[in-house]
Amino acid sequence: GAGVSQSPRYKVAKRGQDVALRCDPISGHVSLFWYQQALGQGPEFLTYFQNEAQLDKSGLPSDRFFAERPEGSVSTLKIQRTQQEDSAVYLCASIALRFGSAEQYFGPGTRLTVT
Amino acid sequence: ELKVEQNPLFLSMQEGKNYTIYCNYSTTSDRLYWYRQDPGKSLESLFVLLSNGAVKQEGRLMASLDTKARLSTLHITAAVHDLSATYFCAVDLGMNRDDKIIFGKGTRLHILP
Repeated sequence: GAGVSQSPRYKVAKRGQDVALRCDPISGHVSLFWYQQALGQGPEFLTYFQNEAQLDKSGLPSDRFFAERPEGSVSTLKIQRTQQEDSAVYLCASIALRFGSAEQYFGPGTRLTVT
Repeated sequence: ELKVEQNPLFLSMQEGKNYTIYCNYSTTSDRLYWYRQDPGKSLESLFVLLSNGAVKQEGRLMASLDTKARLSTLHITAAVHDLSATYFCAVDLGMNRDDKIIFGKGTRLHILP
């Protein structure tokens, strides 16, 4: 079956531009996570949704970052007024159940480069 | 401060050799994951370890979890070039902490033919 998909796969933005990154989780997966992975580092948690509810956004680095999942399926991570330090790969992951299903399925990521 | 530390961060080894990657973490958890990442690719789940003493094996890779020692190991047996990749361990903080998952910095493994 289809896995987690993300678009675009690559995005180049000029500093100050707004960007929107999309994640399509596996159909029926309740929980969705966003991570930021800087070059040579491990993924770092940004935010988490259970259905349409954003239950944890403690990892968002600033108020320029905003995520939504209005219908409990597709999610969008928006970054306003991008800065160079925002350059990273943004990974989305989903799991079937909030508890009890241990494995997160990751999408291919969106590589954001801010120039 | 919660820490997930992998050791070593870089490893270059000959084909046919055995080696172990270590993952130490600083909080209580009974759920740990190992992932593989190839350059420019996303994360591929290798192992899910759900309890103390759990041991799982897949091909030349074997992972174990000691929750009392807060230590997981990923053992590579008779390495082959195809295993060259970056390996991450990740600790699940559990229900009381929103199932947040904290990743280590990764171990970049290069296997020489």
